[in-house]
Amino acid sequence: EVQLVESGGGLVQPGGSLRLSCAASGFTFSSYEMNWVRQAPGKGLEWVSYISSSGSTIYYADSVKGRFTISRDNAKNSLYLQMNSLRAEDTAVYYCARDLGWFEIDYWGQGTLVTVSS
Amino acid sequence: QSALTQPASVSGSPGQSITISCTGTSSDVGSYNLVSWYQQHPGKAPKLMIYEVSKRPSGVSNRFSGSKSGNTASLTISGLQAEDEADYYCCSYAGSSYVVFGGGTKLTVL
Repeated sequence: EVQLVESGGGLVQPGGSLRLSCAASGFTFSSYEMNWVRQAPGKGLEWVSYISSSGSTIYYADSVKGRFTISRDNAKNSLYLQMNSLRAEDTAVYYCARDLGWFEIDYWGQGTLVTVSS
Repeated sequence: QSALTQPASVSGSPGQSITISCTGTSSDVGSYNLVSWYQQHPGKAPKLMIYEVSKRPSGVSNRFSGSKSGNTASLTISGLQAEDEADYYCCSYAGSSYVVFGGGTKLTVL
């Protein structure tokens, strides 16, 4: 069974940093591209970032470019999102998501809530 | 890149069919057969219902179907059931390694 378990969310002040982790199991993690997708409270879904299976190719949404860094450790079956210079508008549930191909997502984690507030 | 346009809400009675539209542009929906649809129940993670415009993942009921015409994609749910009540989001590849979601549609089963 495919499982994606996010962790690392919490309350952080504007301008602060946070690192999200996603532990993957139930599939060959190193063979899959991965994404982070977020959802602000009461709002819709927003794609955040993509990383190829090897980690060599990375893309970001304009809204987070230059502030967020996606990475992965295939030996540890883990995906990460380093978030710096956080803003109030980054407040959201962040989902770790497995890529079916061409950014179509077939499995989602349960999400971790990030709240940016003073 | 702008969000895809979906109706805020749709409703139907049990057993009926409903269709949710997802309108984009010639740069996203109109250019790629890479439209996916997700179902999200309150407090839960999204679930893939349709990918590549009209393909159904294993385990998804055949009551769910997808199509596309020009810049507009559609999700049709036939034989509505109470458990279909949820939010539905469309998503499209938009070129230049970018993805855009729709604003979401709340489906109410009357």
